Amino acid sequence: EPEVTQTPSHQVTQMGQEVILRCVPISNHLYFYWYRQILGQKVEFLVSFYNNEISEKSEIFDDQFSVERPDGSNFTLKIRSTKLEDSAMYFCASSLTGLRPQHFGDGTRLSIL
Amino acid sequence: KNEVEQSPQNLTAQEGEFITINCSYSVGISALHWLQQHPGGGIVSLFMLSSGKKKHGRLIATINIQEKHSSLHITASHPRDSAVYICAARLYNQGGKLIFGQGTELSVKP
Repeated sequence: EPEVTQTPSHQVTQMGQEVILRCVPISNHLYFYWYRQILGQKVEFLVSFYNNEISEKSEIFDDQFSVERPDGSNFTLKIRSTKLEDSAMYFCASSLTGLRPQHFGDGTRLSIL
Repeated sequence: KNEVEQSPQNLTAQEGEFITINCSYSVGISALHWLQQHPGGGIVSLFMLSSGKKKHGRLIATINIQEKHSSLHITASHPRDSAVYICAARLYNQGGKLIFGQGTELSVKP
């Protein structure tokens, strides 16, 4: 069964550094999402992306965050200048349409030192 | 106030028991997801439903739109069912964005 893949599984970065989290969604899916889960807390929506543009973003998704689909297969989340509070598990998801089930990757655990 | 609330937060059961996890929501939704999160962190989609009932193996999900309530049932529970179960609401007219409950941690003892 096709799946969403995320790399790396764990990223350790110094505070203030830029980090890029990578996702390969399911190949025929058109809608892409990033979520995050701070340790011990619930999963939170960050951003949704369709037709090469952001369709919705949360208040968490400030100017330090950006998303890109650079080559038609990868979907990336960039954090420009990381803060300690960015430490979390980041999940990528994709769906065929906005109304179909979302398929999640296994997540990238981001640790900011 | 949380838009999606789950109960209980933690649940311990003996192998073979029938389990129910509840989810209530306070907003208009177009669908409700039930998800499973294993200790390693990965999330697996179990069900997406907008009305009635769905069944897959030993798992059953129901939703009552009028009461804004959904339940996930596990019949003949097994230790491998131990995981965190999360309900997530897809808000009406807001594309695919999901609002998550806080999760129910289930532990099934042999």
